[in-house]
Amino acid sequence: AQSVTQPDIHITVSEGASLELRCNYSYGATPYLFWYVQSPGQGLQLLLKYFSGDTLVQGIKGFEAEFKRSQSSFNLRKPSVHWSDAAEYFCAVGASGGGNKLTFGTGTQLKVEL
Amino acid sequence: GAGVSQSPRYKVAKRGQDVALRCDPISGHVSLFWYQQALGQGPEFLTYFQNEAQLDKSGLPSDRFFAERPEGSVSTLKIQRTQQEDSAVYLCASSLLQGRGTPEAFFGQGTRLTVV
Repeated sequence: AQSVTQPDIHITVSEGASLELRCNYSYGATPYLFWYVQSPGQGLQLLLKYFSGDTLVQGIKGFEAEFKRSQSSFNLRKPSVHWSDAAEYFCAVGASGGGNKLTFGTGTQLKVEL
Repeated sequence: GAGVSQSPRYKVAKRGQDVALRCDPISGHVSLFWYQQALGQGPEFLTYFQNEAQLDKSGLPSDRFFAERPEGSVSTLKIQRTQQEDSAVYLCASSLLQGRGTPEAFFGQGTRLTVV
């Protein structure tokens, strides 16, 4: 069965500082990997996705993530955080079959200090 | 519409009451998913439709939960005899059929169900 671990429940960074959110997955084959962001009272917005090819993927809002098969990781990064980035971030893994239902991690709550 | 639309946005139900939650997917999206998000948790898969066919209902927590998509478009998630543990945000997502375009799921804003 597929699973996702986000080891950091809460992270606080200063505005302008760099950010890295960790994600480890467990899946038997090549996974489909996603990062979503959720603001309070809102649904999930896709930041970026990895299916195949280049292991460094670029997303919206200046985010990027790197797929490392050897470490079963898909960490999310941003060079300079803005106050508007404060939200909850979810990593998810999708199966290549079965309609691509997603298995989510428990999320990382990001707080940005001004 | 431009995105996935869910209604109502908020629902308060008395314990034991039946509720129905509606999802309007993006036009042309064949796949439709329901997820349950408890407070402080990530979304958890409930069920999946491809057109009108319910192909996976392995995540439905009990037989009180029932989902349908009779015409392959709008879907309804019904919860019978609601219990307090059913309190959560219910998210609907839709996507193109896998293999035709990217299997990227687009989420609605969710319905927050509170059972009192």
